[in-house]
Amino acid sequence: EPEVTQTPSHQVTQMGQEVILRCVPISNHLYFYWYRQILGQKVEFLVSFYNNEISEKSEIFDDQFSVERPDGSNFTLKIRSTKLEDSAMYFCASSVKGRGYGYTFGSGTRLTVV
Amino acid sequence: TQLLEQSPQFLSIQEGENLTVYCNSSSVFSSLQWYRQEPGEGPVLLVTVVTGGEVKKLKRLTFQFGDARKDSSLHITAAQPGDTGLYLCAGGYGGATNKLIFGTGTLLAVQP
Repeated sequence: EPEVTQTPSHQVTQMGQEVILRCVPISNHLYFYWYRQILGQKVEFLVSFYNNEISEKSEIFDDQFSVERPDGSNFTLKIRSTKLEDSAMYFCASSVKGRGYGYTFGSGTRLTVV
Repeated sequence: TQLLEQSPQFLSIQEGENLTVYCNSSSVFSSLQWYRQEPGEGPVLLVTVVTGGEVKKLKRLTFQFGDARKDSSLHITAAQPGDTGLYLCAGGYGGATNKLIFGTGTLLAVQP
């Protein structure tokens, strides 16, 4: 069964530091997403990426966040200057097409900002 | 604000019982997906429904999308301890994004 792979599984960083979360989506999928889940809260949409550009982003996805697909396989989320409130589980997901197609999620990166 | 409310939030039942989880919104969705999430893991897709009134079955799980595409239900027949987990509904808005809005979740515990 194809998987979405995320690294690292855990990351602890100092407030103000930059972090890059990495994802390898399923190879024939065309749509890529980042979601986050603060402990005990709902899964929240951050950004969607299609055809090498951001197709939609949420209010959470401010100027401190950026995404990149630097090659044909990796999909990264960068947080430029982390804040305490960025502590959460970050999930990468991909889907083969858009409307009506379910996502495959990765296992997540637990980010702790201290 | 787009909201998907799930009920109940918590459910503890005995093995062999039946249960239904509800997912309600005031918004119309182009699709409705159900996921199951284990602690510390990402959600795992169970089913996607796209047509109002659609019913899909996955072994002992039956999923229904409301006629108006604003609500959905998940019915589990003869629950087993292996069904224990967090069940999430997620509404899709389609278009170029297919962004999902996740529900508040239902934590199910099935006691042997």
